[in-house]
Amino acid sequence: QLVLTQSPSASASLGASVKLTCTLSSGHSNYAIAWHQQQPEKGPRFLMKLNSDGSHSKGDGIPDRFSGSSSGAERYLTISSLQSEDEADYYCQTWGTGILWVFGGGTKLTVL
Amino acid sequence: QLQLQESGPGLVKPSETLSLTCTVSGGSISSSSYYWAWIRQPPGKGLEWIGSIHYSGSTYYNPSLKSRVTISVDTSKNQFSLKLTSVTAADTAVYYCAHSGYSSSWYLFYFDYWGQGTLVTVSS
Repeated sequence: QLVLTQSPSASASLGASVKLTCTLSSGHSNYAIAWHQQQPEKGPRFLMKLNSDGSHSKGDGIPDRFSGSSSGAERYLTISSLQSEDEADYYCQTWGTGILWVFGGGTKLTVL
Repeated sequence: QLQLQESGPGLVKPSETLSLTCTVSGGSISSSSYYWAWIRQPPGKGLEWIGSIHYSGSTYYNPSLKSRVTISVDTSKNQFSLKLTSVTAADTAVYYCAHSGYSSSWYLFYFDYWGQGTLVTVSS
């Protein structure tokens, strides 16, 4: 079964960098994913799609501070030069047989 | 650039039917080769895909909700709709509509445009 696993929370200091992880379930390590950001009290926003080889394509207007990378079954979202507005929930999402469109549980990022 | 806007009652009684409409602007619902979707988020929880529809009418539903969900499309109004029957308090959530793009080279359907969401509360 296709499952995406994310740590519930992460924190980093203003101006620092943080790397969020999304792990694909066994047998699905070659799947591409998408990352979405949900700021407090707002709807989600598409950040980027990310392939198994680390190539990624960002949505319109997404700052260069956001980047993606991959290693095995893990997909990463790195945010550099953290700003206060980066404090948000981050969701990974993929597509496959079974449930089809699948979300990870989300990571709540706190900017200290 | 696509814009999506949800509309519908904010309060639904238990056992009744939840009905929402998503109005698409900035593009034709018939011009997309991909899918239009409903997603929900219970208070304080994560995102759950409900179902998706192609403008031709073909649909896919989350197996956990399939028996209660119907998604339809009205190309003349550039809208698509959600009906969820026999609702309970567990269906209380913010409901989002979204567009699903597709990357054929990566074999990935992904949500690239989202509505702002509408809160639906199930309560008597």
